[in-house]
Amino acid sequence: GQQVQQSPASLVLQEGENAELQCNFSSTATRLQWFYQHPGGRLVSLFYNPSGTKHTGRLTSTTVTNERRSSLHISSSQTTDSGTYFCAIPQGGSAKLIFGEGTKLTVSS
Amino acid sequence: NAGVIQTPRHKVTGKGQEATLWCEPISGHSAVFWYRQTIVQGLEFLTYFRNQAPIDDSGMPKERFSAQMPNQSHSTLKIQSTQPQDSAVYLCASSSSGGYYAEQFFGPGTRLTVL
Repeated sequence: GQQVQQSPASLVLQEGENAELQCNFSSTATRLQWFYQHPGGRLVSLFYNPSGTKHTGRLTSTTVTNERRSSLHISSSQTTDSGTYFCAIPQGGSAKLIFGEGTKLTVSS
Repeated sequence: NAGVIQTPRHKVTGKGQEATLWCEPISGHSAVFWYRQTIVQGLEFLTYFRNQAPIDDSGMPKERFSAQMPNQSHSTLKIQSTQPQDSAVYLCASSSSGGYYAEQFFGPGTRLTVL
């Protein structure tokens, strides 16, 4: 079946450092969604990428669908960025999402 | 816009009891999705509705689980005879159209604990 693989599984940074999170997927998905989840919190949609690069604040997402990969770049990380980041793709031609296992980010001051 | 609303936020049941979870989608959204999150299995799709009609329930356990969407403003997930392995955070999401390209927005989840 279709798979979504995220790396690294965990990442520890000092405040101010940059982070690069990777997502690779096995299907020919033509869109991908990045989410953030604070411990105990809801999944917050960060980016919804048919393809290409999007920016919001310190976050940049780049998706290359024909290479089946996406990256999430966090610049000048802050302690409030700590949490788990998930990427997800729709399964087959359906709207239901398949999620990766997430990257747990810890930013310390 | 209050976002997707889920109630209750926490529910504790005894083994064998019934649990009903509620979801109110974002106003104007026509699709509702249910997912389940556990530490072991991660995030798993359960079922979804579009315009109140069931579209795909391929992730639903065959027994004891059922979902309905009686009107545009809410959906329910019912678990009969709950078992400890049903303990999880149940997440509801909605999207504007339920189509392949529609962005999904999630509620805060209901944490179900089965003792």
